[in-house]
Amino acid sequence: SYELTQPPSVSVSPGQTARITCSGDALPKKYAYWYQQKSGQAPVLLIYEDTKRPSGIPERFSGSSSGTMATLTISGAQVDDEADYYCYSTDSSGNHGVFGTGTKVTVL
Amino acid sequence: QLQLQESGPGLVKPSETLSLTCTVSGDSISSSSYYWGWIRQPPGKGLEWIGSIYYSGSTYYNPSLKSRVTISVDTSRKQFSLELSSVTAADTAVYYCARMIGSGPFAYYGMDVWGQGTTVTVSS
Repeated sequence: SYELTQPPSVSVSPGQTARITCSGDALPKKYAYWYQQKSGQAPVLLIYEDTKRPSGIPERFSGSSSGTMATLTISGAQVDDEADYYCYSTDSSGNHGVFGTGTKVTVL
Repeated sequence: QLQLQESGPGLVKPSETLSLTCTVSGDSISSSSYYWGWIRQPPGKGLEWIGSIYYSGSTYYNPSLKSRVTISVDTSRKQFSLELSSVTAADTAVYYCARMIGSGPFAYYGMDVWGQGTTVTVSS
C-alpha cells in the first residue's frame, strides 16, 4: 500500500525555522495538504494544494513541493507550535487518501 | 460558519457493526464543491483515512477497510454516515468527519473543516 513518510520528530528553538518533510512516490502529480494536531484536539488545516494557506493561519506556516517531497516550513517557530503535524495526499490511482506517518514538533 | 458533529454509540461489541453519523450545519452538503470524509485515530497513533463520499453518492474507500466499510449520504437530513462491520479491538479510535475541498477529480481534494471527533471503544 502507498505510504507518505515523515520524520518522527523535529526539534527547533523558539524563533528558528523548522522544516517537516513528506515523501511519497505519487507527490509529483498530487497535492499535499498539511495539518496541525494539538493534544486532545481535532486536526487543523495549515496548507492546502501544496502551497496555499487558509485564512486565519499565520504567515509563518508555508508549504512547498518538489518532486517526490512536500515540505512544511515553520518560520520563527513559537512555543505554541508544539504539536503533531501530518501531511495528506492520494495514491497514484487518485482514488485512495493517505496520511503521512506524522511528525512531533518540539519547540525548546 | 460550517460545523460538523459526529454522533453514535461510544461502545460497540466485538463482531458487531459500528455506526456513526455526521451532521453538517452552516453549509450545503449538496454542494458540488465538496467531498465529505471519515478519518480515525487509534489511541496514541496517527491519522487514518477511512473513506469519502460525494453528494451524489460516489464513494472512495481505504483498500484496507473496503470489505467492511459503507459510507452513505442523506442530503435531506444534511448528514453522511459511516458503517464499519465486524469490528475488533483494533477499531477502537477517535472517529472524525470532515469536509473536503479541492477541484477536479477526488485525487486533488483534502480535508479543511473537521468535526470535534467521537471516541468509539470496541469491547465486550
